[in-house]
Amino acid sequence: NAGVTQTPKFQVLKTGQSMTLQCAQDMNHNSMYWYRQDPGMGLRLIYYSASEGTTDKGEVPNGYNVSRLNKREFSLRLESAAPSQTSVYFCASSPGSRRLRELFFGSGTQLSVL
Amino acid sequence: AQKITQTQPGMFVQEKEAVTLDCTYDTSDPSYGLFWYKQPSSGEMIFLIYQGSYDQQNATEGRYSLNFQKARKSANLVISASQLGDSAMYFCAMREAPHQGQNFVFGPGTRLSVLP
Repeated sequence: NAGVTQTPKFQVLKTGQSMTLQCAQDMNHNSMYWYRQDPGMGLRLIYYSASEGTTDKGEVPNGYNVSRLNKREFSLRLESAAPSQTSVYFCASSPGSRRLRELFFGSGTQLSVL
Repeated sequence: AQKITQTQPGMFVQEKEAVTLDCTYDTSDPSYGLFWYKQPSSGEMIFLIYQGSYDQQNATEGRYSLNFQKARKSANLVISASQLGDSAMYFCAMREAPHQGQNFVFGPGTRLSVLP
């Protein structure tokens, strides 16, 4: 009963390095999301994918790219990490379509950029 | 524009007492969903309760209930009989109708501390 699995759980990068956060869900959900969480700001949407083959920018997309590899997987890439990208990152999924149901979250990735 | 407002950065409640966490929202879409999530110190996001904009009755899930006042655009979470394990961050969120991109928007959160 894995749900939403994201890796890694922790990562430290130097400014300018690149990395990819991986996310996979086994619930056959159509929609997937990447959020970042910063103190006092709640969760802010970086990118989302309403269905396989589509991606859209959220509130804070600058400095990130995403790939919806297939229905299960949605990755987030930082091409050139900056200290402002130090945050906790959450991947999430939902059934999508016309059902206004809840998001299912992964356990988060704590990223520090030095 | 802020779509979800949670005006209480922090709240304290005595164990076994009830507590209300405030949430107001802004949308012009007639079809939307409202959600509450709990985030304990371990960091995971736990779904608590859901209210649809067309639901006639307020949602309840065990000790959690949602006080939905549509005209006031308010969706307060009520926790009855607080327990020490209820100490956590609580986030209110809204999801607007699918044609607007299926986006969830979260409020800044309220940190609840339950006192023994």
